[in-house]
Amino acid sequence: GQQLNQSPQSMFIQEGEDVSMNCTSSSIFNTWLWYKQDPGEGPVLLIALYKAGELTSNGRLTAQFGITRKDSFLNISASIPSDVGIYFCAGHPNAGGTSYGKLTFGQGTILTVHP
Amino acid sequence: ETGVTQTPRHLVMGMTNKKSLKCEQHLGHNAMYWYKQSAKKPLELMFVYNFKEQTENNSVPSRFSPECPNSSHLFLHLHTLQPEDSALYLCASSQDPGGYNSPLHFGNGTRLTVT
Repeated sequence: GQQLNQSPQSMFIQEGEDVSMNCTSSSIFNTWLWYKQDPGEGPVLLIALYKAGELTSNGRLTAQFGITRKDSFLNISASIPSDVGIYFCAGHPNAGGTSYGKLTFGQGTILTVHP
Repeated sequence: ETGVTQTPRHLVMGMTNKKSLKCEQHLGHNAMYWYKQSAKKPLELMFVYNFKEQTENNSVPSRFSPECPNSSHLFLHLHTLQPEDSALYLCASSQDPGGYNSPLHFGNGTRLTVT
């Protein structure tokens, strides 16, 4: 099956620093999603990307849909303690697809922010 | 409040026990899902239900038995589980299982420990 390689696996940063993480795939995806999972809770959708090259922001978060359609990036600027959690990328083969059984998840990036 | 409620939050069971996980969504969605989340691994899709009909069984062992009596409720019946089945079990729902911009909404999960 399709797999997503998400890196880094974990990050330890100081409050105020910027964060970058990415996902790569050997297959093409036509939708990229980024989720965040707070401790003890389920994942919550942060950003959805539907077009190659698209750059989308949600507050301090910015995500990009790679031109090759085989990668995506998430940046967090000026991190704060509540940014702590696990960040997941997910890819879907269909344009605009955001659910259903064809959604492939990365293994997650664990973010720790020191005050 | 995510709109998707899972009970119990924590469950410890022996390998010979029979237990059930419950999920209820208050979002008026038509599709419901069970995912398994193990540490440092991608989310694994287990089952998909659309309008109460099972549309996907992702090669899940028969010791996991789903039930969807209506579009708002989803159960996962467990029997004779193995220790490696210990994980966080996440329920999710979406407006429809493949539509454009129909993202997954996750519950907070049931942390299952099999002893």
